[in-house]
Amino acid sequence: AQRVTQPEKLLSVFKGAPVELKCNYSYSGSPELFWYVQYSRQRLQLLLRHISRESIKGFTADLNKGETSFHLKKPFAQEEDSAMYYCALAWSTGNQFYFGTGTSLTVIP
Amino acid sequence: DAGVTQSPTHLIKTRGQQVTLRCSPKSGHDTVSWYQQALGQGPQFIFQYYEEEERQRGNFPDRFSGHQFPNYSSELNVNALLLGDSALYLCASSLGTGPGNQPQHFGDGTRLSIL
Repeated sequence: AQRVTQPEKLLSVFKGAPVELKCNYSYSGSPELFWYVQYSRQRLQLLLRHISRESIKGFTADLNKGETSFHLKKPFAQEEDSAMYYCALAWSTGNQFYFGTGTSLTVIP
Repeated sequence: DAGVTQSPTHLIKTRGQQVTLRCSPKSGHDTVSWYQQALGQGPQFIFQYYEEEERQRGNFPDRFSGHQFPNYSSELNVNALLLGDSALYLCASSLGTGPGNQPQHFGDGTRLSIL
């Protein structure tokens, strides 16, 4: 069975502090991993995906197959980063996405 | 481009009734996926439509059915509504079916409440 776990429902950090949102997955194949974000009063939108190996809004995420993790990191949190973050997994050749339960990030000024 | 549009925004039904939710994909997209998001949970995949056919289905009963039209818009139908069907129903569109394709674009959702 495929499963995505985000252990923290709520996370608060001070502005300028590093932030890490955890995501672990269980999957027996070659997954594709994503981070989606939902800002207040906005739609769910893609933040980044591991195959792109890109940095979006200062966020990065490394796929660690040994630890089956895909943690989202940013060295210096900004107030505008406050949002709900979802980790998601998809088969490399499939059409089905599995989302975690989400982590609500609050950046304290 | 308004992106993905869903209607209605809110809906109240009673147990046993049937409901139809609608979705228009982002311009240029040909694939529509539906998700159910219960309060405090992440979106759960219901099914995906491409070329007017259901291509993949999540762990949802047959009471949940869908349709895709030639213009790529889609409907989600739920029969014999249960209290547990109360949720936000999200539609997402993309170009092509695989995750390596362009990312999914989500709509604002339809909030369904069952009394």
